[in-house]
Amino acid sequence: QVKLQQWGAGLLKTSETLSLNCAVYGVSLSAYHWSWIRQPPGKGLEWIGETNHGGSTNYSPSLKSRVTISVDPSKNQVSLNLSSVTAADTAVYYCASGRPGGWFDPWGQGILVTVSS
Amino acid sequence: DIQMTQSPSSLSASVGDRVTITCRASQSISTYLNWYQQTPGKAPKLLIYAASSLQSGVSSRFSGTGSGTDFTLTISSLQPEDFAAYYCQQSYGTPLTFGGGTKVEIK
Repeated sequence: QVKLQQWGAGLLKTSETLSLNCAVYGVSLSAYHWSWIRQPPGKGLEWIGETNHGGSTNYSPSLKSRVTISVDPSKNQVSLNLSSVTAADTAVYYCASGRPGGWFDPWGQGILVTVSS
Repeated sequence: DIQMTQSPSSLSASVGDRVTITCRASQSISTYLNWYQQTPGKAPKLLIYAASSLQSGVSSRFSGTGSGTDFTLTISSLQPEDFAAYYCQQSYGTPLTFGGGTKVEIK
């Protein structure tokens, strides 16, 4: 059974860098792609980007200039960095397993990241 | 980007009702369409993938149809645990995009 466990800082100030981690249990990183998705409070879902076990990445054009998604195969972990955050980046951030057909299952538990000035 | 438009944005229904949610893509996406359920404070849960395939462990009262640009999610007989938000997602091309969501509330 695949399980994703997330952790990272939940409160940031404007212009700081968001940094989150996602540990993958029950499957090797080589099995799937790994995505980050976010959801502002009370709003819908936004795909941030994805990576594979080899470190190849694909980012949403709207965030590409500020996003880095990386993998650590030795720890079976995926990481997200988002630089120069503003209040607009306040959201619950999820990691998710991207299946070959492009759907996401399962998802991590989500972490609320709040950006204040 | 492929835009995904869901309707309605919210609906009120009673236990036992048949509920249909629609999702329209801004271009043809074949059957690269997936549906999720999200209850408050929880991560989304995959219900339907590839437009009509039921995810393992998901109740058979959920079904999906469609291809091209128009898709539907149907709940055949609404149960108390089905009151939630539902999202469609296209996986035809990147950036992967979601519909705006449909909130199913108790009448």
